[in-house]
Amino acid sequence: GAVVSQHPSRVICKSGTSVKIECRSLDFQATTMFWYRQFPKQSLMLMATSNEGSKATYEQGVEKDKFLINHASLTLSTLTVTSAHPEDSSFYICSARADTSTDTQYFGPGTRLTVL
Amino acid sequence: GENVEQHPSTLSVQEGDSAVIKCTYSDSASNYFPWYKQELGKRPQLIIDIRSNVGEKKDQRIAVTLNKTAKHFSLHITETQPEDSAVYFCAARLQAGTALIFGKGTTLSVSS
Repeated sequence: GAVVSQHPSRVICKSGTSVKIECRSLDFQATTMFWYRQFPKQSLMLMATSNEGSKATYEQGVEKDKFLINHASLTLSTLTVTSAHPEDSSFYICSARADTSTDTQYFGPGTRLTVL
Repeated sequence: GENVEQHPSTLSVQEGDSAVIKCTYSDSASNYFPWYKQELGKRPQLIIDIRSNVGEKKDQRIAVTLNKTAKHFSLHITETQPEDSAVYFCAARLQAGTALIFGKGTTLSVSS
């Protein structure tokens, strides 16, 4: 099956710093990638949709200047949490879809961000 | 936009019993409904999915039913085993290319 990786799996940073999370599709080209955020014991909340080569579409309430998303190639999307604060601490998960004819979304293993 | 409601939030069953989780969606244009299983700290894993042109789908102990008129779909797990214990999420998708919208999840506990 299709494999999606994320790096890093876990990151601890100080308040005010920026953190970059990478999402890669390892064995397929992902025209679309999605970024979700999951708080403990809660559901996956969609943050943004990114299509390769174009600007990401953010969900209502998600600050695009705080959560920078870049989808520069068909196998890589990055999420940068800028000027992170403790309330940004969460589990960030990406998912990827190969093309518009494919229903299945493959999830990455997630990144646990802790902001001190 | 699409809204997905899921219940119950927690479900405890004895090993061997059946478990049923129900979801409703708001947008009648949604056409794809997957179910994911997530173990603590791990990624969601697709366990079964159904498209709007099908009313029921089964895969061994797992089945999903869809009622388009009522806009609800359900996950059925038969002969539950302790390893079925996890959080289960339903999701709905409006059209190809758009994101999945998830329900709030059901924590299933199967005791032996």
